[in-house]
Amino acid sequence: DVKVTQSSRYLVKRTGEKVFLECVQDMDHENMFWYRQDPGLGLRLIYFSYDVKMKEKGDIPEGYSVSREKKERFSLILESASTNQTSMYLCASSFTSASGELFFGEGSRLTVL
Amino acid sequence: AQSVTQPDIHITVSEGASLELRCNYSYGATPYLFWYVQSPGQGLQLLLKYFSGDTLVQGIKGFEAEFKRSQSSFNLRKPSVHWSDAAEYFCAVGDNFNKFYFGSGTKLNVKP
Repeated sequence: DVKVTQSSRYLVKRTGEKVFLECVQDMDHENMFWYRQDPGLGLRLIYFSYDVKMKEKGDIPEGYSVSREKKERFSLILESASTNQTSMYLCASSFTSASGELFFGEGSRLTVL
Repeated sequence: AQSVTQPDIHITVSEGASLELRCNYSYGATPYLFWYVQSPGQGLQLLLKYFSGDTLVQGIKGFEAEFKRSQSSFNLRKPSVHWSDAAEYFCAVGDNFNKFYFGSGTKLNVKP
């Protein structure tokens, strides 16, 4: 089975702190994604990566950056956390094919105080 | 621009009753369509997907969905709901560039 692992299920941080969310997948997927999930808004794409060291902005990249130094690992970085970044963050991965479905991690719930 | 609409935010059905969750999409080409389910505190799990061919697709847990191009719809159905089906359901469209667009979700409550 494909496994997408997010390192932290729950985090509490203070405003202005730097936050790292880590994601690792074990299926040699080319593509990796970071989504943000908020009630009533569904999933919104923050960034995605289709190869090592490659990244593209999604729909809501402001206040976030990403890093992909190895194929299996995709990190989301909040340079200076703010209260409006309190949310559930979901990592996903997929093969590069037109029909490549997304495989999700269990999510990281971040609270910024 | 691609978009997905799930018009029902919450739905409550009685256990054993049939279920239909609505999904409408906007996409210029032939869409790749997905339904995912999310149990509380968990990530999303794929229920079923449509790429081409038969417009009625079968998924896991007894779910099925029908692609109707003329209506731009991909509604999810189950003939008899179980209490364990209570969860949030997301419809999604995938494009040819490996990007996915999600609806806002429908929360399903199941009455005993």
